[in-house]
Amino acid sequence: QSVLTQPPSVSGAPGQRVTISCTGSSSNIGAGYDVHWYQQLPGTAPKLLIYGNSNRPSGVPDRFSGSKSGTSASLAITGLQAEDEADYYCQSYDSSLREVFGGGTKLTVL
Amino acid sequence: EVQLVESGGGLVQPGGSLRLSCAASGFTFSSYEMNWVRQAPGKGLEWVSYISSSGSTIYYADSVKGRFTISRDNAKNSLYLQMNSLRAEDTAVYYCAREGELLSSFDYWGQGTLVTVSS
Repeated sequence: QSVLTQPPSVSGAPGQRVTISCTGSSSNIGAGYDVHWYQQLPGTAPKLLIYGNSNRPSGVPDRFSGSKSGTSASLAITGLQAEDEADYYCQSYDSSLREVFGGGTKLTVL
Repeated sequence: EVQLVESGGGLVQPGGSLRLSCAASGFTFSSYEMNWVRQAPGKGLEWVSYISSSGSTIYYADSVKGRFTISRDNAKNSLYLQMNSLRAEDTAVYYCAREGELLSSFDYWGQGTLVTVSS
């Protein structure tokens, strides 16, 4: 049971928009700690996708965006492409547990 | 180019020990905080341990506290994880990850090394 809750899976057709939620609590996201998002392609290490709730590192397409409100955060992917098929993880800081991750969401491009 | 290369994984019996290493290059290793993150087969990511840039501050997840020891050698640009009293549930790919300047996100990850605890 992960401290941050993500849907196990989401799917969408090429070109569509999908969102992945990340729900925490008052000891992590709700306490004001930043949320980061990682993309893990099959068989590879995670890669930083979004940092500080809504910022993209250099090289990440603007099709990826993040937001945060209250005790939750969301990752949105627009103009879905086949290469976006991957696992996505949110991460934040918890005042009791330190660094915490969501359970991960598998994105399937139909 | 930033590179993190883990090594030291393998098959170990329950109760055994293993030492993982992470060789860093392409950046000033001594200026960055580092972490170990693991991923059990088919499962999600789990933070394991943190060490400050100087090595003076260290934290562990409850699941490994008292059994694992994180350390670093800034002269050798290397990060370590000494794992003792290993259990089957420690079986995972272990990644070293740099805690970077981007609001303390993990901006670079190694390719991971697999630790299998089994008799």
